Amino acid sequence: QVQLVQSGAEVKKPGASVKVSCKASGYTFTTYAMHWVRQAPGQRLEWMGWINAGNGNTKYSQRFQGRLTITRDTSASTAYMELSSLTSEDTAVYYCARPRNYYDSSGSYFNWYFDLWGRGTLVTVAS
Amino acid sequence: QSVLTQPPSVSGAPGQRVTISCTGSSSNIGAGYDVQWYQHLPGTAPKLLIYANSNRPSGVPDRFSGSKSGTSASLAITGLQAEDETDYYCQSYDSSLSGSVFGRGTKLTVL
Repeated sequence: QVQLVQSGAEVKKPGASVKVSCKASGYTFTTYAMHWVRQAPGQRLEWMGWINAGNGNTKYSQRFQGRLTITRDTSASTAYMELSSLTSEDTAVYYCARPRNYYDSSGSYFNWYFDLWGRGTLVTVAS
Repeated sequence: QSVLTQPPSVSGAPGQRVTISCTGSSSNIGAGYDVQWYQHLPGTAPKLLIYANSNRPSGVPDRFSGSKSGTSASLAITGLQAEDETDYYCQSYDSSLSGSVFGRGTKLTVL
């Protein structure tokens, strides 16, 4: 079965770090990238970054530069998202998502959509 | 911050048609990037509804359709059913972010 299984809920104190895992099954892990998206209470989905599961290259949103590290373990078909220096504003549900990359019909624009998502991991930051 | 704008809520009676708009800017939809749509029941994994503006993945009913024009896109749902009552999000690529942007989400209520 093609699925992404995420680790369980976490409670962290301000200033701490959190590491969330996302285990892929049912497909060849290294063939796809893995993105991370979060949703804070009452807020929109927010894209955080992605990793090329094949070569380990990463790209992060500027909002998280310096605080976000995305890694992967190809032997375990698992991607990880680690966020440091947590504040209450980092309280959110964190999702991993598999992208399908493509160019539009004109061949000019690179796009992606997420065809497979994890169920989310709630991270609560509170003192 | 680059964002996509959606109405917070829409509603319709069973069997009716509703549309959800998604307005972007010159760095995302207006630049030519495609729009994707997701259905999201809180507490579950989001589900892809429409990709590349108007394409349905297998298994998505043809009651769902998408379109794009200029800096905006729309999701149309015909023949509303009670099970359609949930949240819907649009997503596109943004060149200033070099990543994805999402709408805030639209809550669909089936009256």
